[in-house]
Order: sequence, then structure tokens, then C-alpha cells
Amino acid sequence: GAVVSQHPSRVICKSGTSVKIECRSLDFQATTMFWYRQFPKQSLMLMATSNEGSKATYEQGVEKDKFLINHASLTLSTLTVTSAHPEDSSFYICSGAQGSIGEQFFGPGTRLTVL
Amino acid sequence: AQSVTQLGSHVSVSEGALVLLRCNYSSSVPPYLFWYVQYPNQGLQLLLKYTTGATLVKGINGFEAEFKKSETSFHLTKPSAHMSDAAEYFCAVSDTGGGADGLTFGKGTHLIIQP
Repeated sequence: GAVVSQHPSRVICKSGTSVKIECRSLDFQATTMFWYRQFPKQSLMLMATSNEGSKATYEQGVEKDKFLINHASLTLSTLTVTSAHPEDSSFYICSGAQGSIGEQFFGPGTRLTVL
Repeated sequence: AQSVTQLGSHVSVSEGALVLLRCNYSSSVPPYLFWYVQYPNQGLQLLLKYTTGATLVKGINGFEAEFKKSETSFHLTKPSAHMSDAAEYFCAVSDTGGGADGLTFGKGTHLIIQP
């Protein structure tokens, strides 16, 4: 299957700072990228959907000003957690899909810890 | 709205025994159904998926699942459990095949393999 990478794999930051997470599709062009959040021992919850060159579509309850998503190219999407707080600590997973009926390929996730 | 219910947050089986993980879904349109496996601190790996056609779907690592429309179920099975199968398993549903819209996940089932 296709490969999606995320960087960093782990990040620890202080409360009030911003953190950027990168999601890259390494061997395919991801027309759509998705960002999910997973709390400990819980399921993945879709945060937002982004199409290359367009503004991201956020799920209900997700603050778009706090979770900034940029999908600048067909191989790169970034999630910036602005003014992070301890409750933002979570496992963030991205996925990419090629085409509307394509399979989603998931990245390995980024563990964010906000102190 | 879609939803996925996975019965049993934890399932324990003996090595060599049958694995059965249950998944029921609700969807207003013919669904696309997926099973993913997640190992600790890793992203999701696709085990198998149902799109159209044959209702019995074979996946990787000896897993298979059967789509039963009348029961709105997509249970995952494996005839003989192996220690390496111990992981978290997620059932997911999509209206569009997964490429255009985010997936809706169940809460997951933690599979424990007893030696």
C-alpha cells in the first residue's frame, strides 16, 4: 500500500505555545487528506478534511482557529495546534486518499503532550 | 448519520482459537465497510474492506469478514489466533469508499491472546 509519514512522531510543548505537525504522502498524490484525533483508549474522531488548494472542512465542535490546517500540495498537509493547552494532548493521525473512491492510507500518528 | 458499534471493548481468546470481533453499523446509503488494526503507538493498517460484490471479504493475516445487510453487520473472524494478533481493532464505515469523506470509526476492540 501507499505510504504516509508524519513528523514529528512525538512532541512535548509548554502550554500556550503552537505546534505544527506535518503529514506527507510519500509515493502517491493525496487529493484529500484527513486529520483525526484519538484520545487514550478511544476511537479516532475525524477533525477535518482538506483538499489540496482549498480551505479545510472542519467537523462540528472542532475549532478551526485553534487547529489550523494547510494542504499546500498534493503530498503535504500540516496541522498547527495554536496556543496549545493540556486538554489538547492527544494522538493525532492523518490519512491521505487519492481520488474520491480511493482508499485512505494512514500515517503513524503524532503523540502531542502539552505540559 | 452513520454510526458503528463494536460489541465488547475487550475480547480474550486462547492462541489457536477462533477470533470473532463484532461490528454493527448504521448508514442511510449502501455502506463501504472497513476493518483496521492498530498496534501500540502506531497508525492504522487496513485489514480488509467491503465495497461492492462478494459479501465475504478476505484480508491480510488470515482475517476475513462477512457483510450481512439484513443484520447490518460486518463481523471480523480468524480461524486460529496467533500471539501477534494482539492489538486494537477498529471497524469503520463510509458512504463514499473512504476517499472523499472521513471514516466513522467504532470505539475499538482490544484483542488479547492468551498463551
